[in-house]
Amino acid sequence: QSVVTQPPSASGTPGQRVTISCSGSRSNIGGHTVNWYQQPPGTAPKLLINGDNPRPSGVPDRFSASKSGTSASLAISGLQSEDEADYYCVAWDDRLNAFVFGTGTKVTVL
Amino acid sequence: QVQLVESGGGLVKPGGSLRLSCVASGFTFSDYIMNWIRQAPGKGLEWVSYIGSSGTTIYYSDSARGRFTISRDNTGNSLYLQLNSLRDEDTAVYYCVREGFFDYWGQGTLVTVSS
Repeated sequence: QSVVTQPPSASGTPGQRVTISCSGSRSNIGGHTVNWYQQPPGTAPKLLINGDNPRPSGVPDRFSASKSGTSASLAISGLQSEDEADYYCVAWDDRLNAFVFGTGTKVTVL
Repeated sequence: QVQLVESGGGLVKPGGSLRLSCVASGFTFSDYIMNWIRQAPGKGLEWVSYIGSSGTTIYYSDSARGRFTISRDNTGNSLYLQLNSLRDEDTAVYYCVREGFFDYWGQGTLVTVSS
């Protein structure tokens, strides 16, 4: 059972805005950078957002992230069909001395 | 361009061992932290282990500690994961991943633990 939770699914129509939450605690999200990854079906994950740093080359500015307290969120604006994928958050956890991934959210474009 | 190529996966019986390898290219391997991250079939991502650039700083997940050993050869641009006392629940694709924020991922190597 992961210490960082995400909703199992999210969906929207093309052009809509979708938000994915990532809920943790003071030992992980509350005290450390949160990163986000996109994993389209059958492929390896790809870094989407690295904390407050500029988006990696090739990541559209439709993707944005924020953090407040022990929760973080990823927003996808102007949803496109190629955004259908699984999305994961991750943070270091001081209590576990380990990286902890969120449970993952499957985004479907209707 | 950065490339990470894993190998060494396969079918092994419970209690058995495997050694995974990852060959890196396209960057100065000895400058970077490296990780192993796994994904069981149809499941989410699970971080397994971290090794600092010189190999002196190492962390393991609770599930890996005591059974898995991470190591690296900076001369040969290679990362390793020795898997011992394998269990059914270790069945997963194992990814070699660069840096503490996981910026580049290999394509993974599948480890299947089954009798």
